[in-house]
Amino acid sequence: DGGITQSPKYLFRKEGQNVTLSCEQNLNHDAMYWYRQDPGQGLRLIYYSQIVNDFQKGDIAEGYSVSREKKESFPLTVTSAQKNPTAFYLCASRQAAFSGNTIYFGEGSWLTVV
Amino acid sequence: AQTVTQSQPEMSVQEAETVTLSCTYDTSENNYYLFWYKQPPSRQMILVIRQEAYKQQNATENRFSVNFQKAAKSFSLKISDSQLGDTAMYFCALNAGNNRKLIWGLGTSLAVNP
Repeated sequence: DGGITQSPKYLFRKEGQNVTLSCEQNLNHDAMYWYRQDPGQGLRLIYYSQIVNDFQKGDIAEGYSVSREKKESFPLTVTSAQKNPTAFYLCASRQAAFSGNTIYFGEGSWLTVV
Repeated sequence: AQTVTQSQPEMSVQEAETVTLSCTYDTSENNYYLFWYKQPPSRQMILVIRQEAYKQQNATENRFSVNFQKAAKSFSLKISDSQLGDTAMYFCALNAGNNRKLIWGLGTSLAVNP
């Protein structure tokens, strides 16, 4: 089945640790996105990538890093510099970063700092 | 600046009845697209309906339809014959011009009561 796979579904991070959230898509989409969602809140864009080996900061990029070495993959690293990382993280993709294209989402990952 | 406003944080409806969720937006672009997404308790974001600004006809998907008022910059979602499975957060989103990012509203929490 075509889709977007995020892993792990639940992740616990200790203070000072870096963690990486995986996002893989087999939809042959060029553009990929990472969003953060806090309880009862909307979506905030962390990073996005329009093409392999290229990515841009979103609205809340501080404390996060990404890479786009393969078309299918767009992992997100939450670094120790992110002071309040507990949130729900959504990965998304679309065929190209043009306004008409529908964006599709993975099932999300919960990150909790312990 | 491009903005999306959802003025109803919470709504409820009785099963089998009709409910309308409001969304207003602002953009100076002539070419843009509007979306409604649903996020049920599972947190998976699911596309409900999509509207191209250049189309005068309102989009419809089964029990879901929109009332697109371009001059008023309004994009409301009507859910007919509400079902318990419609209980979810509903997000309105705008993608305009050459903007590679979607602009999201803060969402409306809809509860369908038996």
